[in-house]
Amino acid sequence: SQKIEQNSEALNIQEGKTATLTCNYTNYSPAYLQWYRQDPGRGPVFLLLIRENEKEKRKERLKVTFDTTLKQSLFHITASQPADSATYLCALDRNNNAGNMLTFGGGTRLMVKP
Amino acid sequence: GAVVSQHPSRVICKSGTSVKIECRSLDFQATTMFWYRQFPKKSLMLMATSNEGSKATYEQGVEKDKFLINHASLTLSTLTVTSAHPEDSSFYICSAKPGQFLSEQYFGPGTRLTVT
Repeated sequence: SQKIEQNSEALNIQEGKTATLTCNYTNYSPAYLQWYRQDPGRGPVFLLLIRENEKEKRKERLKVTFDTTLKQSLFHITASQPADSATYLCALDRNNNAGNMLTFGGGTRLMVKP
Repeated sequence: GAVVSQHPSRVICKSGTSVKIECRSLDFQATTMFWYRQFPKKSLMLMATSNEGSKATYEQGVEKDKFLINHASLTLSTLTVTSAHPEDSSFYICSAKPGQFLSEQYFGPGTRLTVT
């Protein structure tokens, strides 16, 4: 069956360090992979999308890598700040009868301490 | 841009009653909207995909007669939880795609439903 796995344990890091979050998947061949941020009691916010033919994508302090051989994506936040504390979700596309939609991983909670 | 609103943000209802949740795309037209359910400390579970002007496509295990979805316009989709029971208490989130060929989704702020 298809699975998307993220570190279920919370990740605690010190302000200024680089946070690295992992997303692994099995039995998928996604055309693209997305990362979202979710704060408690709020809907997710889109951060980055990376396509299967892209190895790396950057946006300000964020960097995403996508290895379709390893079936893994890494999400990096450099120079982390306490405001980066949130749950980060990876999502892969799949197609149902209505078109393309997303399946989400369980999310990793990041805590950045001052 | 790409703002999605949901109403209400919180609702408490009695068991057996029905509750309607609205999802609106405020500054774009959304041919496709999605409804998710999220339990505490869990990820989002897709309930259904809603295309404007056609019937919703429900995920396996989601009762379409219990969770009625209407996508009557390009900016509005509604989810009605019929004959709600305490086990329907959850966080319901909608999302919308701003274009047929764009992949990212923009999410509403969610609706916390509590059934007593």
